[in-house]
Amino acid sequence: AQKVTQAQTEISVVEKEDVTLDCVYETRDTTYYLFWYKQPPSGELVFLIRRNSFDEQNEISGRYSWNFQKSTSSFNFTITASQVVDSAVYFCALTPAYGGSQGNLIFGKGTKLSVKP
Amino acid sequence: DTGVSQDPRHKITKRGQNVTFRCDPISEHNRLYWYRQTLGQGPEFLTYFQNEAQLEKSRLLSDRFSAERPKGSFSTLEIQRTEQGDSAMYLCASSDFQGFNEQYFGPGTRLTVT
Repeated sequence: AQKVTQAQTEISVVEKEDVTLDCVYETRDTTYYLFWYKQPPSGELVFLIRRNSFDEQNEISGRYSWNFQKSTSSFNFTITASQVVDSAVYFCALTPAYGGSQGNLIFGKGTKLSVKP
Repeated sequence: DTGVSQDPRHKITKRGQNVTFRCDPISEHNRLYWYRQTLGQGPEFLTYFQNEAQLEKSRLLSDRFSAERPKGSFSTLEIQRTEQGDSAMYLCASSDFQGFNEQYFGPGTRLTVT
């Protein structure tokens, strides 16, 4: 069975604080892809990053960074110097790389991030 | 704007009525997905199309639900004899051929069954 767990339901920080959103996944597939999506109050899911299971290099994009650790089945997301515009629900998702279910995203329940001025 | 569009954005219907939603994917995308999202939950996969072929359906998709993608362009999702439990946001997404590529989501159709 495949599963994504985002244990943090809600996080509240003050602007300019750093914040890390946790994601732990379960899968029997040896090759898979992990994603992060942002869902702002407007509701439309916005793609942030995709990572395949063979690439454990951390990635940085501006104030965003991602830490993928296969040994602990985690794919955590850090926002540095948070801003009010970062307030949203963030989803971690998983999909196998092969087979009939390729592309069917399995989402966690999401973490609601509130950044206060 | 060449993103994914969905129509209508909101639908209120009475229990037992049929409803149909439409999704227009990004034009060059072969794959089209339907998801359902309820309050406080992540989206749950319902079904997907590769061009006009419906390749997989979730167990969540009861026989009251049917989806089509004629000609491999837009898609429709129909719910027959709606129930209150069908109230949710219905999301459409599209991607290019490789299923593990990023999916681009539409704004969703919020269904309320009274």
